[in-house]
Amino acid sequence: EAGVAQSPRYKIIEKRQSVAFWCNPISGHATLYWYQQILGQGPKLLIQFQNNGVVDDSQLPKDRFSAERLKGVDSTLKIQPAKLEDSAVYLCASSFRVGEADTQYFGPGTRLTVL
Amino acid sequence: GQQLNQSPQSMFIQEGEDVSMNCTSSSIFNTWLWYKQDPGEGPVLLIALYKAGELTSNGRLTAQFGITRKDSFLNISASIPSDVGIYFCAGHPSGGSNYKLTFGKGTLLTVNP
Repeated sequence: EAGVAQSPRYKIIEKRQSVAFWCNPISGHATLYWYQQILGQGPKLLIQFQNNGVVDDSQLPKDRFSAERLKGVDSTLKIQPAKLEDSAVYLCASSFRVGEADTQYFGPGTRLTVL
Repeated sequence: GQQLNQSPQSMFIQEGEDVSMNCTSSSIFNTWLWYKQDPGEGPVLLIALYKAGELTSNGRLTAQFGITRKDSFLNISASIPSDVGIYFCAGHPSGGSNYKLTFGKGTLLTVNP
């Protein structure tokens, strides 16, 4: 079974530029999560989708971050414009059911560096 | 938001030694999870705990859900070089959304061969 795919793996941009990350969850997984992991910290949930609807985006900085999951499969997370403090690893995870903690599978992440 | 205090922050041990790390919270958790993250990879679930007092093993790893529901520990026996990585505790706080995980800051484990 293929895992959660993410691209790109690495991205370096200058502040005020825009960037987008892509995630393809495990086939059949209805729930998709985007996490931000700052160096030395654990992952922090940014947004959760159930199929193509947003379940929780309470920790998403909506003035600069946006995410969508068209057709309930792939998802894109965008930052516009980027700030220095956005430098982090952005992890995508998926699970079969909502509330099933042990079925959250993580992708390898995208490491973003903002200069 | 909820805070998880994970300790120690880092550990340097010799191959073959046993390792213990723990996670505490000021509030009650319904679920405790332990993940391992290798460099350049996403976290991988090691053990999931669902009941107070539960003791679960996965090979050389053993984890327990504290009786007070405010703590959990992870033990690794007879460590080997591939145990190197960052170990995170995570959980679902009581009364919170049952899908939103709170993560600790991680324990960096280094194993000297």
